[in-house]
Amino acid sequence: QKEVEQNSGPLSVPEGAIASLNCTYSDRGSQSFFWYRQYSGKSPELIMSIYSNGDKEDGRFTAQLNKASQYVSLLIRDSQPSDSATYLCAVTPYSSASKIIFGSGTRLSIRP
Amino acid sequence: EPEVTQTPSHQVTQMGQEVILRCVPISNHLYFYWYRQILGQKVEFLVSFYNNEISEKSEIFDDQFSVERPDGSNFTLKIRSTKLEDSAMYFCASRSGTGMWLGNQPQHFGDGTRLSIL
Repeated sequence: QKEVEQNSGPLSVPEGAIASLNCTYSDRGSQSFFWYRQYSGKSPELIMSIYSNGDKEDGRFTAQLNKASQYVSLLIRDSQPSDSATYLCAVTPYSSASKIIFGSGTRLSIRP
Repeated sequence: EPEVTQTPSHQVTQMGQEVILRCVPISNHLYFYWYRQILGQKVEFLVSFYNNEISEKSEIFDDQFSVERPDGSNFTLKIRSTKLEDSAMYFCASRSGTGMWLGNQPQHFGDGTRLSIL
């Protein structure tokens, strides 16, 4: 079983709509969850972090965490063409606070 | 905003040669990392470094690899006897290490070094 799973996409969303990205993780003891954005050929850029069950909002971005279901999601409201990128879900495993485990990423495409 | 800087941006090396990838982490950060990303694949953890020693390493980080903090600012990854399969983007990252619980602290990534082994 993969440690962090994401649908690879591509996920195509019209401009102005809500993009919904999902991630599941296998380590039930994981405590910290991150969403990174990665443009092609570039480095991961932190978008959101979330540690507690529920929702966390930052501008157009909302992260949602459900530890019972081992599920974390990212919503992007009012999607813009500049949001087109690969979104990486990352998790700090219970066994090690010193590293993060990345999913394979979901490729998001915002169509004008 | 402080950032992690990596040099060179692109390194081309003949198979079997040694390469050194360099990183300058954010100045007041205490934890340093190397990750790699093979083209089209996910970002993979290689090693974490704290207080001048390796705190954790992955199965990928075998005897071919080593890390060093030769002075107060640089953090290097050395790959000996490079192989074709070492071709990848290598990312350096750093983390504060102070304040909140370490696991909650995000890692800040440099722009990466693209390593091409011929």
